[in-house]
Amino acid sequence: AAGVIQSPRHLIKEKRETATLKCYPIPRHDTVYWYQQGPGQDPQFLISFYEKMQSDKGSIPDRFSAQQFSDYHSELNMSSLELGDSALYFCASSLEGQGATQYFGPGTRLLVL
Amino acid sequence: GQQVMQIPQYQHVQEGEDFTTYCNSSTTLSNIQWYKQRPGGHPVFLIQLVKSGEVKKQKRLTFQFGEAKKNSSLHITATQTTDVGTYFCAVTKIMYSGGGADGLTFGKGTHLIIQP
Repeated sequence: AAGVIQSPRHLIKEKRETATLKCYPIPRHDTVYWYQQGPGQDPQFLISFYEKMQSDKGSIPDRFSAQQFSDYHSELNMSSLELGDSALYFCASSLEGQGATQYFGPGTRLLVL
Repeated sequence: GQQVMQIPQYQHVQEGEDFTTYCNSSTTLSNIQWYKQRPGGHPVFLIQLVKSGEVKKQKRLTFQFGEAKKNSSLHITATQTTDVGTYFCAVTKIMYSGGGADGLTFGKGTHLIIQP
């Protein structure tokens, strides 16, 4: 079965640079979520989109923005990167949003130097 | 915001022993989900519990939701090396506004370490 696709899988950036992470949900899934997971930590919810509209907002820094496109893929844009942004970034997708099972992608490992 | 406390943080067991992790909330939960994350992997959905007192089984895994819907547990019988990983409970907001998609709030997780 098709899974959530994330790209790139690994990314190295310098401080103050920008980064764009991409997420392609499972086919027919209309909802995407973004999570950040630091080393040894639990995933922290950042933001979600349902039918291309922002649905819920978590602990997403103002330096980050995201959107969901007409084909339901999503991009997380990160600017003015800081050392503390180094983490695993997971995208998850679900069908019909609220209460639905979230299927996580393999993640993008971001290292900020 | 919605919070859930998960214990223990780490659990060392001998292969073949049982394992249990617990999640507790101070407020009534609409549902609770359980995820497993292998080292270097991504969270994988295990199960969702919705009903008060619900008990669900998946082979050697038993999931329970408390009568008051404020606590839940995951019990693994006769652990195997393939059970190694971190087990997270996760919850969504209580208020359901209809439509949309609330993010999950995860417990801190229980790291299961198995000694052969």
